[in-house]
Amino acid sequence: SQQGEEDPQALSIQEGENATMNCSYKTSINNLQWYRQNSGRGLVHLILIRSNEREKHSGRLRVTLDTSKKSSSLLITASRAADTASYFCATVGSGSRLTFGEGTQLTVNP
Amino acid sequence: GAGVSQTPSNKVTEKGKYVELRCDPISGHTALYWYRQSLGQGPEFLIYFQGTGAADDSGLPNDRFFAVRPEGSVSTLKIQRTERGDSAVYLCASSLSDRINEQFFGPGTRLTVL
Repeated sequence: SQQGEEDPQALSIQEGENATMNCSYKTSINNLQWYRQNSGRGLVHLILIRSNEREKHSGRLRVTLDTSKKSSSLLITASRAADTASYFCATVGSGSRLTFGEGTQLTVNP
Repeated sequence: GAGVSQTPSNKVTEKGKYVELRCDPISGHTALYWYRQSLGQGPEFLIYFQGTGAADDSGLPNDRFFAVRPEGSVSTLKIQRTERGDSAVYLCASSLSDRINEQFFGPGTRLTVL
C-alpha cells in the first residue's frame, strides 16, 4: 500500500524556474529518499535524508524533512528540460523496503 | 560497470499461464528487491532477499507469486495462473546490503496478461 502522497500530482514550469514538490507520509521513518523516473533511464535514486536530518543538498537539489509534520519537500533549482520526469518520494521504516508515494509529474518547458 | 538487468523487457501472456521474470543485480550487491508498478502509480514492494533468503515477503499479493534467489545473485520472480490484474511493470533493485538503503533499479519487465 502507498504511504506517501506527493503534491502536486503534476507541475509544469519554464526552463530556469525552480520546481518544488512535497511529500507526506504516515508512519515513523528511518530515512526518506527521492527518486526520478523517466522512460529513458528508469528509476534513479536522487538523494537520501535521514530522520535526524532537516535539510540536505546535492547539486541543484535541496531536500527538507520535517518529521513532526511527517513531510518532505524536494526543490530543483534552475530547472532544465532534461529534468522532465516523474518524481517519487519513498520512505524506509524499520525494515529495508521502500514505500513509494504516487509521484509528481514534472514538465519543464524549454 | 553493469547496472541491474532484467529479462525479458516485455512479456505478453494469456490468462492462466505461468511466467518467470529474471533479475541480474549489480555484482557484489547482497540485497535484492522486487517491486510492481501499475500505470500512474508509484512502485509497490513485493519481496526482498538478503543473500539467498527472503528477508521480507510480506508484499507478495497472494500465493500465486513466488521468488527465488538460490545462489545469492540472480533472482527469478514466478507468477502462476496469471490474471489480467497482474499486468504491470515489475521492477528489480539491488543494494550493497539491506543496511544501505540506496537501491539501484533495473529497467523493468512489462508484463501484459491478455
